[in-house]
Amino acid sequence: DVKVTQSSRYLVKRTGEKVFLECVQDMDHENMFWYRQDPGLGLRLIYFSYDVKMKEKGDIPEGYSVSREKKERFSLILESASTNQTSMYLCASSPPGRGEQYFGPGTRLTVT
Amino acid sequence: QKEVEQDPGPLSVPEGAIVSLNCTYSNSAFQYFMWYRQYSRKGPELLMYTYSSGNKEDGRFTAQVDKSSKYISLFIRDSQPSDSATYLCAMSPRLNNDMRFGAGTRLTVKP
Repeated sequence: DVKVTQSSRYLVKRTGEKVFLECVQDMDHENMFWYRQDPGLGLRLIYFSYDVKMKEKGDIPEGYSVSREKKERFSLILESASTNQTSMYLCASSPPGRGEQYFGPGTRLTVT
Repeated sequence: QKEVEQDPGPLSVPEGAIVSLNCTYSNSAFQYFMWYRQYSRKGPELLMYTYSSGNKEDGRFTAQVDKSSKYISLFIRDSQPSDSATYLCAMSPRLNNDMRFGAGTRLTVKP
C-alpha cells in the first residue's frame, strides 16, 4: 500500500510566523503535490513537483513556497502566515504513467 | 462556471439503498476520472480510477463516464453505514497534472 505521511495533524500558528509542513511518501513516486481544502471550494492545487529540486506553480501559489531536496519528501512553506491561510493542507503523490493520486491524512492549520 | 460541478448534498439514505453520486464538467479535454472517499478529518482515499468513457466495477462500487454528456457517476450498491463520508470526483486531461476536483458530496447511510 502507498503510504503518504504528513508531519502534523493539527497546527496552530500566529500571524507572521514562518510555517513548515512536511510530507513523506514511501513508494518512490516521482510526482508530489500540495493542496489546500476549504469548504465549498474543494481541493485547490498550490504547488507540485515532478522530480527532486523541480517545482511548478499550481492554481494558488501566492504566499507559499516549496522544497524538494529528496525524492520522498516534499515540504510546503508559508513564508509569513496569514489568517486566510487557515485551512486543511493535503499532500499527495502519484506514480509515473498513472493518473491517480494518493493522499496523506492532512494537516489542519489554524492561523490566529 | 466551475470546471467541475458536484452537488454538495447532504445526501441521506437508509442502509441497503443504492446511492448515485454525480459530477458534471465543462472541459472536454478531461480523460482521466477518479472518485475519492474522504472520512471526516482524514485525507481522500482513492476509490475508482477510469480512463475515457465506459463503466468500471469494483465490488459494490460502479463508476460510469459519459464523455459525450460530460457526466460521471458513482453508484454504491447495498450501502452500509461505513460508506458515510464525503465523496469527491476528480478528473484531469493528462497524467499527473491539472487534476480538478469537485467540491464533494456528503453522504450519510442510516442503519
